[in-house]
Amino acid sequence: AQTVTQSQPEMSVQEAETVTLSCTYDTSENNYYLFWYKQPPSRQMILVIRQEAYKQQNATENRFSVNFQKAAKSFSLKISDSQLGDTAMYFCAFMNPGGGNKLTFGTGTQLKVEL
Amino acid sequence: GAVVSQHPSWVICKSGTSVKIECRSLDFQATTMFWYRQFPKQSLMLMATSNEGSKATYEQGVEKDKFLINHASLTLSTLTVTSAHPEDSSFYICGSVNSYEQYFGPGTRLTVT
Repeated sequence: AQTVTQSQPEMSVQEAETVTLSCTYDTSENNYYLFWYKQPPSRQMILVIRQEAYKQQNATENRFSVNFQKAAKSFSLKISDSQLGDTAMYFCAFMNPGGGNKLTFGTGTQLKVEL
Repeated sequence: GAVVSQHPSWVICKSGTSVKIECRSLDFQATTMFWYRQFPKQSLMLMATSNEGSKATYEQGVEKDKFLINHASLTLSTLTVTSAHPEDSSFYICGSVNSYEQYFGPGTRLTVT
């Protein structure tokens, strides 16, 4: 079974600064997907970024980028130029396509962006 | 694209009654949908996997007779909480899979009095 660990329950960052959220996972699979989801106070889950394990290149979506280290089983999220609207709970998630597309979530990191 | 709706967004019911929650994928077909439960400040807990045209698969510890799931079409899955009790009060979220990405409904807040 896969596990996903987010070791930072809470983090804060000043507006316009950069912050990195950590995520590690454990799996014996070679083909899988990793995701970061954002859940703002509205509680709507929003897909932030996705990484395919077979791709060496780190995924990037505007101000969001990941540092994917497959051998270390690490998948951190970097948010550049933080904005107040980035305040949310961030969940790291793992998916094995051969496992029925189920997502395994981490416990989440509450990020607060401050003025 | 990849919009998922959920209805109702908030429901209050009396103990012992049943409540139905609908999850619709609006712009794609989803052969698989998932139902989650989330407590405040916690992660999503998978309750069951809903597959179109077949019986749902429940996670360990989830009572299938209490949480009835029907996935009658490629765009609609329903979760019915039967004989609801106050401990069933929670936030319920559905997720629909589209091309190895899961998209979520806005959630339903259930309060059982």
